[in-house]
Amino acid sequence: KAGVTQTPRYLIKTRGQQVTLSCSPISGHRSVSWYQQTPGQGLQFLFEYFSETQRNKGNFPGRFSGRQFSNSRSEMNVSTLELGDSALYLCASSLALRATGRGTEAFFGQGTRLTVV
Amino acid sequence: AQSVAQPEDQVNVAEGNPLTVKCTYSVSGNPYLFWYVQYPNRGLQFLLKYITGDNLVKGSYGFEAEFNKSQTSFHLKKPSALVSDSALYFCAVREDNYGQNFVFGPGTRLSVLP
Repeated sequence: KAGVTQTPRYLIKTRGQQVTLSCSPISGHRSVSWYQQTPGQGLQFLFEYFSETQRNKGNFPGRFSGRQFSNSRSEMNVSTLELGDSALYLCASSLALRATGRGTEAFFGQGTRLTVV
Repeated sequence: AQSVAQPEDQVNVAEGNPLTVKCTYSVSGNPYLFWYVQYPNRGLQFLLKYITGDNLVKGSYGFEAEFNKSQTSFHLKKPSALVSDSALYFCAVREDNYGQNFVFGPGTRLSVLP
């Protein structure tokens, strides 16, 4: 069974540009979450989608957005990039359903390393 | 708000010795606790979780964790460390009833010395 696939693996962008990252979850998983990992702030939750609906959102500015498609694939977009957006962006998928979500583990992709110059 | 602390940035242990990576948590209700491991340039790999039941949870690669409600701790343990266990370890707690928004600890870097 294929794992969570994130593309691209590496990106270099210039300040002010925008970027779109893609995530394909494990087959059958309908919940997809995104996290930002930086040395200073650690792992921070961005947002979570379930069946094309955003269920939860972390404390990030509106420049960070996402969406989920009917096949559960997800994209996140960052507009007007800043140097501080340089990070490893991780996507995670799970079988989390409404009744059992809290106890269900998530499976992470290898991440997209974004560098803003 | 829920939170997780990992009091040690770095843990060093000799190969073959037992290892412990510490985690304490703060929650308003019942905790759902997880351990993940991250190898260089990789995503996070699930090791084990505590939902309810036995306080000693067994997971992947010989790891186990002990849930202690009175001390609000969920320490990760392994009886005999391997050099290949060297990695970054994260403790995490679930935030709400339905979502996946884990709250992660800052991570502990484990170095197993040959």
